[in-house]
Amino acid sequence: SQQGEEDPQALSIQEGENATMNCSYKTSINNLQWYRQNSGRGLVHLILIRSNEREKHSGRLRVTLDTSKKSSSLLITASRAADTASYFCATDPQTGANNLFFGTGTRLTVIP
Amino acid sequence: DAEITQSPRHKITETGRQVTLACHQTWNHNNMFWYRQDLGHGLRLIHYSYGVQDTNKGEVSDGYSVSRSNTEDLPLTLESAASSQTSVYFCASSEDTDTQYFGPGTRLTVL
Repeated sequence: SQQGEEDPQALSIQEGENATMNCSYKTSINNLQWYRQNSGRGLVHLILIRSNEREKHSGRLRVTLDTSKKSSSLLITASRAADTASYFCATDPQTGANNLFFGTGTRLTVIP
Repeated sequence: DAEITQSPRHKITETGRQVTLACHQTWNHNNMFWYRQDLGHGLRLIHYSYGVQDTNKGEVSDGYSVSRSNTEDLPLTLESAASSQTSVYFCASSEDTDTQYFGPGTRLTVL
């Protein structure tokens, strides 16, 4: 399977703390994306990092990519209760297909 | 505003029945996808389409079929529903591989 794996599976932090989630994958990629899913809802795209990039920022989000280790991390700074959700990484492998492969997700709980 | 919708949002059916889940997008995207989401498995790709009359099998396509007669719709059919197909189903669309836009999901229970 080309599916990625997130680590940890679940994370619980206090409001104001930083949250870090990791993603490992198996194949060469064009880009890696992070998505957020609130309970009972569809996934929402957060940020994309291309294979030739090492770090990207968007508001309180910071994503890093290490293609040599086939891994990525998502950092959410100054977390808020509203950040409570599941976070998924998705990889666009270098197969020529327009498909993404999603990981199993990290469940983040931010305690007010 | 453009959107992607799914219907029904909840469905209970019996083993052996045929079930069709609807997906409709107004983004005018060529690419459409069906996933199922189960605890411990994340999202798994069932079928996908890159345009009208194009359909392709994903990772877990057995027991499912799709058809693409227009740009806006990609219905998912369970030919003979099985209890193992109890899941939450998500439809998504995209223009390329940069971003997929997801529908709200359909919770299907097969008794």
